Amino acid sequence: DAKTTQPPSMDCAEGRAANLPCNHSTISGNEYVYWYRQIHSQGPQYIIHGLKNNETNEMASLIITEDRKSSTLILPHATLRDTAVYYCIAGTGTASKLTFGTGTRLQVTL
Amino acid sequence: KAGVTQTPRYLIKTRGQQVTLSCSPISGHRSVSWYQQTPGQGLQFLFEYFSETQRNKGNFPGRFSGRQFSNSRSEMNVSTLELGDSALYLCASSLDLSYNEQFFGPGTRLTVL
Repeated sequence: DAKTTQPPSMDCAEGRAANLPCNHSTISGNEYVYWYRQIHSQGPQYIIHGLKNNETNEMASLIITEDRKSSTLILPHATLRDTAVYYCIAGTGTASKLTFGTGTRLQVTL
Repeated sequence: KAGVTQTPRYLIKTRGQQVTLSCSPISGHRSVSWYQQTPGQGLQFLFEYFSETQRNKGNFPGRFSGRQFSNSRSEMNVSTLELGDSALYLCASSLDLSYNEQFFGPGTRLTVL
């Protein structure tokens, strides 16, 4: 599975968009990009995933660059409840083979 | 629809003992995965079960084992506990092996003294 690089921490004001970057320069053609988040003391929560095209769901948008070497998770209107560690993962096959890195700790403030 | 449930939520054991953790997946989900989360190593994949068969295994010693029952419920067992086994053990379920979205349970916090 491809290795991903994320900034260790980010801050965002409540109500603003949170843009979380992820670098996966060694990603191969059949590997997806997944995003999960983990709120303190809870199990990780699936957010979104994509292969080549940009994706949007009720929680977030995923923007993948054309060369697929990086992506951005966008939370359009961050709230205090979005404070969490966000994991970007690149992988194939079963979801169980996903390798969780250290993630980005997003702090949403008033 | 009920989420993934794990029991017990908290557990304290001493070195050398063994422990069994239980996971009930979301109804209809047939794949169950287990993860260990520690501050130092982060979230690491232990194993995955589907149709009562272990399909994938992470890089953990043989003291870590698991099984899945016909109703998709799963258990994991750790024998001869070591201090380093203190961790949050997370279970995740998905519809099947090829489904991309995993649903995690709240975890079992194991403390080894």
